[in-house]
Amino acid sequence: NAGVTQTPKFRVLKTGQSMTLLCAQDMNHEYMYWYRQDPGMGLRLIHYSVGEGTTAKGEVPDGYNVSRLKKQNFLLGLESAAPSQTSVYFCASSARRWTTYNEQFFGPGTRLTVL
Amino acid sequence: GQSLEQPSEVTAVEGAIVQINCTYQTSGFYGLSWYQQHDGGAPTFLSYNALDGLEETGRFSSFLSRSDSYGYLLLQELQMKDSASYFCAVPSNFGNEKLTFGTGTRLTIIP
Repeated sequence: NAGVTQTPKFRVLKTGQSMTLLCAQDMNHEYMYWYRQDPGMGLRLIHYSVGEGTTAKGEVPDGYNVSRLKKQNFLLGLESAAPSQTSVYFCASSARRWTTYNEQFFGPGTRLTVL
Repeated sequence: GQSLEQPSEVTAVEGAIVQINCTYQTSGFYGLSWYQQHDGGAPTFLSYNALDGLEETGRFSSFLSRSDSYGYLLLQELQMKDSASYFCAVPSNFGNEKLTFGTGTRLTIIP
């Protein structure tokens, strides 16, 4: 049981390049999330998904796109990378339960540098 | 909207007790949760309070006062491994579809 995995762990891009970050979870969770974490700013939600085939914008969606074609995978795309997107990106997932708290399970993170 | 305030840094002595505070402003309230993150690691869930009072889980306890829009995380018998960042977070609704996180408190334990 791997939990939440992210690929790649590290990446360096040049301004204007594109890339896709892959997140996979094996817990059969309905909800999946992409966050970015910058020093002193905590975790900010980029996009999220409440089920296969659905996506929604979070707090800081500009410059990113996502897709959830399969329940277990959530992809984050950067079409034209900018230095302001240098950050650590975390994927998370959680179950959908209405009577208890749904803790989020996080992947190990992807450290992205845009030059 | 939702906003949460936490102290940016706290220092405590090994073996002692420390309290990390969190105040929040939300349009609707669906509980307060806490996550721990070690340097270079991923956040992990610690606790959740839906109702007023204290929830205890081993050396960690979390408290909530809804009337004061305030909560805290209490760490007892501090160990060096407790050095980490601690985030409070509030869900967007009862389905917990989204969490809004505070900016985090960096806890440093000194011998």
